[in-house]
Amino acid sequence: EAQVTQNPRYLITVTGKKLTVTCSQNMNHEYMSWYRQDPGLGLRQIYYSMNVEVTDKGDVPEGYKVSRKEKRNFPLILESPSPNQTSLYFCASSLEGPQFSTDTQYFGPGTRLTVL
Amino acid sequence: SQQGEEDPQALSIQEGENATMNCSYKTSINNLQWYRQNSGRGLVHLILIRSNEREKHSGRLRVTLDTSKKSSSLLITASRAADTASYFCATFGGGGFKTIFGAGTRLFVKA
Repeated sequence: EAQVTQNPRYLITVTGKKLTVTCSQNMNHEYMSWYRQDPGLGLRQIYYSMNVEVTDKGDVPEGYKVSRKEKRNFPLILESPSPNQTSLYFCASSLEGPQFSTDTQYFGPGTRLTVL
Repeated sequence: SQQGEEDPQALSIQEGENATMNCSYKTSINNLQWYRQNSGRGLVHLILIRSNEREKHSGRLRVTLDTSKKSSSLLITASRAADTASYFCATFGGGGFKTIFGAGTRLFVKA
């Protein structure tokens, strides 16, 4: 089954404790992206990746890191989480990327993160 | 940040009625897409309209795009209780390869 998976689905942690949220897709997609969703703000893009070893900042990259060492995986790293990073996080992937006029994104189920 | 805006923020209608949601954006685009989200779950793609298209249909969905006004509308006809969800527009383009989502419209369809 074609899908985007994220782990963990729920995480409660404390300020400053490094964490990684994994994202994996099995569709051989080139474009992958991380978003955070907060009430009233919709989805805001954190980082995206056009392909292996190619990543770039979205609108809200501060406090996050990503890596793309393999095509299928795109982990999101919070080196020193803070309470303002409490949010619902989504990973997404698409075949080629938004520069192609017919490309659509497939979303993972989300990771609800609480930083105390 | 540049972000689309949906209007209205929330909409409550009776089953069988039509629901119209609007989206405005700020930059030139390659395409505009509408997504649906059920109660904090992942988003599901509904329909894509290219920048050179003005109208597109898919089942009970009708999307229009007016690039001169930088706006789009999503019409759901003959709504059902199962259409209750949040709806987001997303735009691509305007420099780089960013994706810009609007804040969403929450639709509630009463049975």
